[in-house]
Amino acid sequence: NAGVTQTPKFQVLKTGQSMTLQCAQDMNHNSMYWYRQDPGMGLRLIYYSASEGTTDKGEVPNGYNVSRLNKREFSLRLESAAPSQTSVYFCASTGGGSPGEKLFFGSGTQLSVL
Amino acid sequence: GNSVTQMEGPVTLSEEAFLTINCTYTATGYPSLFWYVQYPGEGLQLLLKATKADDKGSNKGFEATYRKETTSFHLEKGSVQVSDSAVYFCALTGGFKTIFGAGTRLFVKA
Repeated sequence: NAGVTQTPKFQVLKTGQSMTLQCAQDMNHNSMYWYRQDPGMGLRLIYYSASEGTTDKGEVPNGYNVSRLNKREFSLRLESAAPSQTSVYFCASTGGGSPGEKLFFGSGTQLSVL
Repeated sequence: GNSVTQMEGPVTLSEEAFLTINCTYTATGYPSLFWYVQYPGEGLQLLLKATKADDKGSNKGFEATYRKETTSFHLEKGSVQVSDSAVYFCALTGGFKTIFGAGTRLFVKA
């Protein structure tokens, strides 16, 4: 059971470089999410996709773009990386059909921007 | 907007001590409430949940009761173990979005 798979696990970028974080789930979930985790700030929602074909901004969307490629895949792109984007990034998914559904998380991507 | 506030850590306890981690929330409507746990190097995983007022969620000896009158969802465990050392996150879901608290790191000493 793969669940939610994120790649890469680690990445180092220089300021101004671009990159895409990949996420795929094999649970036939409707809703997918990107969070960033910073010390003392918990997890903050960057973007989410309630269903295939839709995406919406979360709490901290600036500097990021997303693509819901199909029902399985939801990618996060940094067009011009900045040191403030150094963080651990988590992708998550849920069925999205009823209240109280839990989130399933990937194992995270540790990103450093120098 | 919705928000979650939980007690700052770290919390350090001896094995078999009683644990309380406070969590309060602000939300419109009737959110579902969750506690997630994160072990080192891993993503978050669900510990317990409650979907309506007065519900009690429980799992692995942990409990939390959804208190609408005090807008709280405090996490408790009667006797902690070294293996409970982790970061604990309180969260609420309203609509399609889940909002997390800042997390509380728990250290349990043998």
